[in-house]
Amino acid sequence: RKEVEQDPGPFNVPEGATVAFNCTYSNSASQSFFWYRQDCRKEPKLLMSVYSSGNEDGRFTAQLNRASQYISLLIRDSKLSDSATYLCAVYSSASKIIFGSGTRLSIRP
Amino acid sequence: NAGVTQTPKFRVLKTGQSMTLLCAQDMNHEYMYWYRQDPGMGLRLIHYSVGEGTTAKGEVPDGYNVSRLKKQNFLLGLESAAPSQTSVYFCASTTTVKMNTEAFFGQGTRLTVV
Repeated sequence: RKEVEQDPGPFNVPEGATVAFNCTYSNSASQSFFWYRQDCRKEPKLLMSVYSSGNEDGRFTAQLNRASQYISLLIRDSKLSDSATYLCAVYSSASKIIFGSGTRLSIRP
Repeated sequence: NAGVTQTPKFRVLKTGQSMTLLCAQDMNHEYMYWYRQDPGMGLRLIHYSVGEGTTAKGEVPDGYNVSRLKKQNFLLGLESAAPSQTSVYFCASTTTVKMNTEAFFGQGTRLTVV
């Protein structure tokens, strides 16, 4: 079983829709959690960290559920420019950074 | 600001050839990582380093070796390239994994083994 599992997608939603991604992790000792965005043929870039109390950045909301060992990302009022691949990342034990397989999101006009 | 720089950007190898990919960061980061990315597979950790002179195996280490002789450089070697190693390779670095600190990525190396 992979240490970090992610909804494979792809998600194809209309502009203005709300979309949510989930990611589960198996190592309960994991310390830090993130969502990265990756555009086609580019390097991943940090979208937002995920804090225990949940956090929001504009249209993006990230949540962490330690008891069930999952993190989520909610995108509200989606824009065409949100089309990308979203990767969850977990700072696992022994200083490893483990990524999920990514969820591809396409926003249609 | 250079950040994380990967060399080369593209390479085509014949099966059995060797090569070294260089990752250089100018942010004085302790932690450095090598990943490979294949379609539908996300980023898979090959090897990583928690400081100068240290290396450790990741999720998919077979067929690769690494060295971290200088803090700013992390080298990934392929001793005998195989077609299965055709992939996009990304290097990343971060200052710590104890807090919510961002990992910075290089622009990737596209490697094709024929």
